[in-house]
Amino acid sequence: DSGVTQTPKHLITATGQRVTLRCSPRSGDLSVYWYQQSLDQGLQFLIQYYNGEERAKGNILERFSAQQFPDLHSELNLSSLELGDSALYFCASSPRTGGPTDTQYFGPGTRLTVL
Amino acid sequence: GDSVTQMEGPVTLSEEAFLTINCTYTATGYPSLFWYVQYPGEGLQLLLKATKADDKGSNKGFEATYRKETTSFHLEKGSVQVSDSAVYFCALSITSGTYKYIFGTGTRLKVLA
Repeated sequence: DSGVTQTPKHLITATGQRVTLRCSPRSGDLSVYWYQQSLDQGLQFLIQYYNGEERAKGNILERFSAQQFPDLHSELNLSSLELGDSALYFCASSPRTGGPTDTQYFGPGTRLTVL
Repeated sequence: GDSVTQMEGPVTLSEEAFLTINCTYTATGYPSLFWYVQYPGEGLQLLLKATKADDKGSNKGFEATYRKETTSFHLEKGSVQVSDSAVYFCALSITSGTYKYIFGTGTRLKVLA
């Protein structure tokens, strides 16, 4: 158990809908990262927050957005969902600013299925 | 651009065999290199890391050495166990204007008793 929690574990929804995925980092960790894992794209970095501020952006679609709240939990919002958004979404956290040497601790993931 | 290439799987070995999973990278700066392991139904866990050239990361019998001259970070273990069956990801992180986190496609390892 990494100490990172994600809810829900599974989510099934329809095309065009909007969903919110939630992540609670390890106690004391200030950085939160979001990743998408799909069969065709592999593991892709989406976005990173540090202490409430966006720190780095990866391959995140405009239909997706995220935020980190004062209590350091984070939410990833996915809207206008398409079939191709079906994937495992992982959250990770790290104790510092998320610089290149930081170890990331991954949660168990949320499996999103878009029908 | 920055990238990670790792060997295609699946890799199937007998228990106690020697394991090598190849990983090479392309980076414009000086990345940190990582191996993560993913067991079925779980998130990724850090296996080992190296943050500068010639560093050797090691954990649970696994080793990898950061080779700048060959831009490689191959994972090795002298004697695999059935419990090592998992998917292994090579990854790099780098500061290149912004932070970048890039993962390889993963290599599935199956160890037979």
